[in-house]
Amino acid sequence: AQKVTQAQTEISVVEKEDVTLDCVYETRDTTYYLFWYKQPPSGELVFLIRRNSFDEQNEISGRYSWNFQKSTSSFNFTITASQVVDSAVYFCALSELGRDDKIIFGKGTRLHILP
Amino acid sequence: NAGVTQTPKFRVLKTGQSMTLLCAQDMNHEYMYWYRQDPGMGLRLIHYSVGEGTTAKGEVPDGYNVSRLKKQNFLLGLESAAPSQTSVYFCASSYSGLHNEQFFGPGTRLTVL
Repeated sequence: AQKVTQAQTEISVVEKEDVTLDCVYETRDTTYYLFWYKQPPSGELVFLIRRNSFDEQNEISGRYSWNFQKSTSSFNFTITASQVVDSAVYFCALSELGRDDKIIFGKGTRLHILP
Repeated sequence: NAGVTQTPKFRVLKTGQSMTLLCAQDMNHEYMYWYRQDPGMGLRLIHYSVGEGTTAKGEVPDGYNVSRLKKQNFLLGLESAAPSQTSVYFCASSYSGLHNEQFFGPGTRLTVL
């Protein structure tokens, strides 16, 4: 069965610290997609990244980086030199490409960046 | 270019009342989705549509109906609202299926008394 676990419910760090948000997934499919979305206090979800199951390359985008490891079924998200504007709820999601269109979101990690 | 818009932003209903939430997108996307977000639950897919005139059930479809009469609009209906349907509802769209980036609307906060 599909499952996405974000074990960290809430994290607080001081501005400029690095922080990693964990995401562990379960799937039986060999073809799947992983996502991270950001939900700032305004409420609207914003897409950050997508990874397919055949591409384990890590990705860096400015202060954001993602570490995809199939061996541990994890897709972790690191913010380097955090800023107050990074305060938000972050969701990891898993989509399987196959018989049914399905997407499962994790419960989210609320990140507080303290000035 | 407004992206995805939702109407209304807030609504309070009494148990048993009906209402329709409207979602509109101007990106010419084929796929549209309705989610609900409950505290500590993440987002759960209610219904989705793979094109004009089509609809399909998601993870939590009971108590909701949808229609996609025009490509740019996706309506979510509650025929007889229940307190368990108190939630924040998000509409989203994507160029193709659930394996692609989704663009979300601002959400509708619904309270059922």
